[in-house]
Amino acid sequence: DSGVTQTPKHLITATGQRVTLRCSPRSGDLSVYWYQQSLDQGLQFLIQYYNGEERAKGNILERFSAQQFPDLHSELNLSSLELGDSALYFCASSVGTSGATGELFFGEGSRLTVL
Amino acid sequence: QQQVKQSPQSLIVQKGGISIINCAYENTAFDYFPWYQQFPGKGPALLIAIRPDVSEKKEGRFTISFNKSAKQFSLHIMDSQPGDSATYFCAASTGGGADGLTFGKGTHLIIQP
Repeated sequence: DSGVTQTPKHLITATGQRVTLRCSPRSGDLSVYWYQQSLDQGLQFLIQYYNGEERAKGNILERFSAQQFPDLHSELNLSSLELGDSALYFCASSVGTSGATGELFFGEGSRLTVL
Repeated sequence: QQQVKQSPQSLIVQKGGISIINCAYENTAFDYFPWYQQFPGKGPALLIAIRPDVSEKKEGRFTISFNKSAKQFSLHIMDSQPGDSATYFCAASTGGGADGLTFGKGTHLIIQP
């Protein structure tokens, strides 16, 4: 158990809809990362938050947004969903300071299926 | 732009053999190179990591070899076991690991008994 909790584990929805994925980081971790995993693209970095502030942005679509709340949990919002958004979405957390080991702790993912 | 290229995409090794997975990177600012292991239905988990000030790091049956001039690094699994069957991802990061990781596309490793 990595200590990172993601909900829901599975989600099935229709094209054009909006969903929210939730992540609770490990206790004490300040950084939260979101990754998208698909068969052909591997693990794609979407966005990173550190202590409530956006720190880095990767290949995140404009239809997607995220935030980190004062209690450090994070939400990834996916809107105007398309078939191609079907994937496994991982949240990871780390201590997030420059002196950290760099290890990311991943949750078990949220599997999104868009029909 | 794929900043970390991983090969092979899939690999089958006999039990007791050596599994070798290779990665190459382009960004010379990368200064942290971890390998992650992922079992079906689970998230990736850190296996072993190296920083560019050393050329090799060994932890049990797992060894990372790092070639800074060639911008390549590899994972060697000695005495491979069926329990090692998983997907392996190489990754790279700047900021000593504090920044987000850029992952390779993964290698699906099968160890045959």
